[in-house]
Amino acid sequence: EAQVTQNPRYLITVTGKKLTVTCSQNMNHEYMSWYRQDPGLGLRQIYYSMNVEVTDKGDVPEGYKVSRKEKRNFPLILESPSPNQTSLYFCASRWGGNGNTEAFFGQGTRLTVV
Amino acid sequence: EDQVTQSPEALRLQEGESSSLNCSYTVSGLRGLFWYRQDPGKGPEFLFTLYSAGEEKEKERLKATLTKKESFLHITAPKPEDSATYLCAVLGGSGGSNYKLTFGKGTLLTVNP
Repeated sequence: EAQVTQNPRYLITVTGKKLTVTCSQNMNHEYMSWYRQDPGLGLRQIYYSMNVEVTDKGDVPEGYKVSRKEKRNFPLILESPSPNQTSLYFCASRWGGNGNTEAFFGQGTRLTVV
Repeated sequence: EDQVTQSPEALRLQEGESSSLNCSYTVSGLRGLFWYRQDPGKGPEFLFTLYSAGEEKEKERLKATLTKKESFLHITAPKPEDSATYLCAVLGGSGGSNYKLTFGKGTLLTVNP
């Protein structure tokens, strides 16, 4: 089954404790992205990647890091989480092709930073 | 900068009461407009892609249309299971990047039995 898998689904952590949210896709997609979703603000892009070893900042990259060492994986790293990073996070992937294909989303990771 | 505005923010319908959701956009070089459905706590689920003005797509009770400035998602004879947040997103070429989807804030649709 074609899917984007995020782990963990739920995470409660303390301020300053480094964490990684994993994302994996089995569709051989070139493009992968991370979004956060907050009430009243909608989905905002954090980082995106066009292919292996190619990443760039989205709209709200501060406090986050990413890496793309393999085509299928795109982990999101919070080096020193803060309470304002409490949010619902989504990973998405889409086929490269001519660049205008739909994105497939993971199930989401609900992060709480206390 | 690409912008997407969805209206209304929330819509409550009776079962069988047809209506439309609006998505207005400004984008430099539209490469695609996408509609998604999102259930609470879950990831957005793809519904439609529209590429050019005049294009229409249908799926069950849903029909999406596109003009040069906006898109409509028409819901015909909705059922309670159509209750969800509907998201609109555009893929544009502003800033030289063809890789970013810009989302609207969504319309929360509630269909009462």
